[in-house]
Amino acid sequence: DAGVTQSPTHLIKTRGQQVTLRCSPKSGHDTVSWYQQALGQGPQFIFQYYEEEERQRGNFPDRFSGHQFPNYSSELNVNALLLGDSALYLCASTSRLSGQNPLNTEAFFGQGTRLTVV
Amino acid sequence: AQTVTQSQPEMSVQEAETVTLSCTYDTSENNYYLFWYKQPPSRQMILVIRQEAYKQQNATENRFSVNFQKAAKSFSLKISDSQLGDTAMYFCAFMKLPYTGANSKLTFGKGITLSVRP
Repeated sequence: DAGVTQSPTHLIKTRGQQVTLRCSPKSGHDTVSWYQQALGQGPQFIFQYYEEEERQRGNFPDRFSGHQFPNYSSELNVNALLLGDSALYLCASTSRLSGQNPLNTEAFFGQGTRLTVV
Repeated sequence: AQTVTQSQPEMSVQEAETVTLSCTYDTSENNYYLFWYKQPPSRQMILVIRQEAYKQQNATENRFSVNFQKAAKSFSLKISDSQLGDTAMYFCAFMKLPYTGANSKLTFGKGITLSVRP
């Protein structure tokens, strides 16, 4: 059973450029959330997708956008990159169909994409 | 809005000893989950233990147990018989209920770096 996979693992971009990060959720999961983790900090919620629509959004500017495909995979796009966008970007998947069973509350994370903006 | 506070940036423990990591949170919600996640150098977030707020009994998972004090909004993690493989960053996280996918956003603390000494 494949877990959450993210690509690429590392990326270096120049300030002002655009970047796309990709995530495939765990098998059986239909909801993808994206988090930004600055060095030495906890992850910060960016947004969440299910049924191919953005459902929740954290306190991030419109430069951060996303997409979810019919196979539940997702992309995170960041435009006009700033030096401060350098971080580890984590994808987490969950399943809405699990209902309120506490055993199904676990979010499974990928290994992240390390983005460096120079 | 929910906040999660981890005030200890670093801790160190001798192998086989016991260590307690602290976490406090603030919320107006009555139904929620609390989690401890481990992030080793491989970067992948791994769930250590979860606690449902409506349960008075403290959760335990092998060497890991929590002390959940709902009135004090405190949620500490105790690691018994510490092992070298426990060396990692540990994050306390909050998730509000009901769990329907739309509410599966996690709010993380800043994390604590735990080092286990041989």
